[in-house]
Amino acid sequence: DAGVTQSPTHLIKTRGQQVTLRCSPKSGHDTVSWYQQALGQGPQFIFQYYEEEERQRGNFPDRFSGHQFPNYSSELNVNALLLGDSALYLCASSPTSTPGLPRYEQYFGPGTRLTVT
Amino acid sequence: AQSVTQPDIHITVSEGASLELRCNYSYGATPYLFWYVQSPGQGLQLLLKYFSGDTLVQGIKGFEAEFKRSQSSFNLRKPSVHWSDAAEYFCAVALGNTGKLIFGQGTTLQVKP
Repeated sequence: DAGVTQSPTHLIKTRGQQVTLRCSPKSGHDTVSWYQQALGQGPQFIFQYYEEEERQRGNFPDRFSGHQFPNYSSELNVNALLLGDSALYLCASSPTSTPGLPRYEQYFGPGTRLTVT
Repeated sequence: AQSVTQPDIHITVSEGASLELRCNYSYGATPYLFWYVQSPGQGLQLLLKYFSGDTLVQGIKGFEAEFKRSQSSFNLRKPSVHWSDAAEYFCAVALGNTGKLIFGQGTTLQVKP
């Protein structure tokens, strides 16, 4: 059973460009969360998708947007890239849970290393 | 505001020695607490979690953690460290029903032979 997969592994972009990162959740998981991890820092929550809708959002500008597809895979889009967007972007998926209960147990993918020059 | 503090940025222990990594949280409600490990170039692997019940929880790779409400702490321990335990360790708290994780800044563990 494959775990959480992310693509691409590494990416180099120029300031002002746009980027799309992709994530496939673990089998049986329906919720996807995205985190940004700057060098030497802990991950910071960007947003969470469930049933193809954004359910929770962290303190990130509107330049960060996402999407979830019917097969539960997800994309993270970042527009107008800044140097400060350089980071490891982690995707985490959560198992289908009992309705009304939170999806706490998150399984992380290996991440996409984004470098903005 | 909710937060997680890991007071030790870097810890070095000898192989075979015991280990304790500290974690303090600030959260008004009942916390749901986690420890994750990250090896270089890798994603995060869940070591253990505390939701409720017994305050001493066992995890993978011989790790355990103890929840102490009075001290707002959730320290990670291992009786005997192996060289393969060298990695970055993150403590995290989940916020209410959101499933959103707040992470500490991490502790880098170095293991001396």
